[in-house]
Amino acid sequence: EAQVTQNPRYLITVTGKKLTVTCSQNMNHEYMSWYRQDPGLGLRQIYYSMNVEVTDKGDVPEGYKVSRKEKRNFPLILESPSPNQTSLYFCASRKRGSGANVLTFGAGSRLTVL
Amino acid sequence: QQQVKQSPQSLIVQKGGISIINCAYENTAFDYFPWYQQFPGKGPALLIAIRPDVSEKKEGRFTISFNKSAKQFSLHIMDSQPGDSATYFCAASLGAGNTPLVFGKGTRLSVIA
Repeated sequence: EAQVTQNPRYLITVTGKKLTVTCSQNMNHEYMSWYRQDPGLGLRQIYYSMNVEVTDKGDVPEGYKVSRKEKRNFPLILESPSPNQTSLYFCASRKRGSGANVLTFGAGSRLTVL
Repeated sequence: QQQVKQSPQSLIVQKGGISIINCAYENTAFDYFPWYQQFPGKGPALLIAIRPDVSEKKEGRFTISFNKSAKQFSLHIMDSQPGDSATYFCAASLGAGNTPLVFGKGTRLSVIA
């Protein structure tokens, strides 16, 4: 089944404890992206990647890091999480240059930072 | 920042009624306008999309109306059903799929019996 897989789905952590949210897709998509969803603010893009070793900042990149060493994986790293990073996170992917911007989203990772 | 403004933030519709969600954009270079549907506990999924060369696109009970001169587009859900209860996001992008989607803030739709 074609899908985007995120782990963990739920995580409670404490301020300052580094964490990584993994994202993997099995569709051979070039483009991958991370979003956070907050009530009243909708979906805001954190980082995106057009291909391996190519990443760019989205609208809210502060406090996050990403890497794209393999085409299928795009982990989101929080080096020193803070309570304002408590949110619902989504990874998404699509085929680059397909002529239609159709994103496939993962099921989401709910992060709570105490 | 390119913006897409979506309204209303929440909507309650009787079963069988018409749900209407509106979006407005600023960048006239946008050329792809999708709507995403998100059920609780799930990621958003593409529902329907339109390009600016047509004024309307219909798929089943879902219709996008597009007004290029007003820079507005809307989603109409005919004969709304409780199973349509979800959050809906409009979005826009430019280019041949090589630029990020810009999302509206979402509309939470509740269809009540």
